[in-house]
Amino acid sequence: ETGVTQSPTHLIKTRGQQVTLRCSSQSGHNTVSWYQQALGQGPQFIFQYYREEENGRGNFPPRFSGLQFPNYSSELNVNALELDDSALYLCASSQQGGDYEQYFGPGTRLTVT
Amino acid sequence: AQKITQTQPGMFVQEKEAVTLDCTYDTSDPSYGLFWYKQPSSGEMIFLIYQGSYDQQNATEGRYSLNFQKARKSANLVISASQLGDSAMYFCAMREYARGSTLGRLYFGRGTQLTVWP
Repeated sequence: ETGVTQSPTHLIKTRGQQVTLRCSSQSGHNTVSWYQQALGQGPQFIFQYYREEENGRGNFPPRFSGLQFPNYSSELNVNALELDDSALYLCASSQQGGDYEQYFGPGTRLTVT
Repeated sequence: AQKITQTQPGMFVQEKEAVTLDCTYDTSDPSYGLFWYKQPSSGEMIFLIYQGSYDQQNATEGRYSLNFQKARKSANLVISASQLGDSAMYFCAMREYARGSTLGRLYFGRGTQLTVWP
């Protein structure tokens, strides 16, 4: 196990709703990256948080937003859910803005109906 | 253009045999790193092996080795002496180190499903 935890494990939401996913980084890590993995695809980078600020963003709309807290844990918020948002959401923690190896959590599987 | 291409959706190998999983990459950054991850059905990404673009020798980690051919832009994973527990999805990934790149951002391929049979 990597020491990175995510909650909840599974989630079912209805189109148009909002969802918050949580990630606790490994002790000593100050950087959290979020990825979306649709079924049958590789993970796609959503954004990264370093020292509580967004430090880079992939090709995702603004309804995907995030936070990082002083203890370096992080949240991913998705507004106005769409069916295509159904995916496994992975977070990865690392040191120094991602300059070191990333450790992935077990993921949150989101289903939008 | 895809930064990482994995052309084998599925591979089958008999237990104790070796298997090679293909990966090609595309970047103009002279400094980059290549990774392989294993993803069991549970979903967690497990780091296997890393190769830096300036590394002179191919990386090895136990039964895993990376066949790095820089001119061909390929980074194939070789698993020797396959075990039943190796059955999983395998992803090749790349990060770039150019100024302006998000440190730690990984670009993943679509993966190869490896099945090891007795």
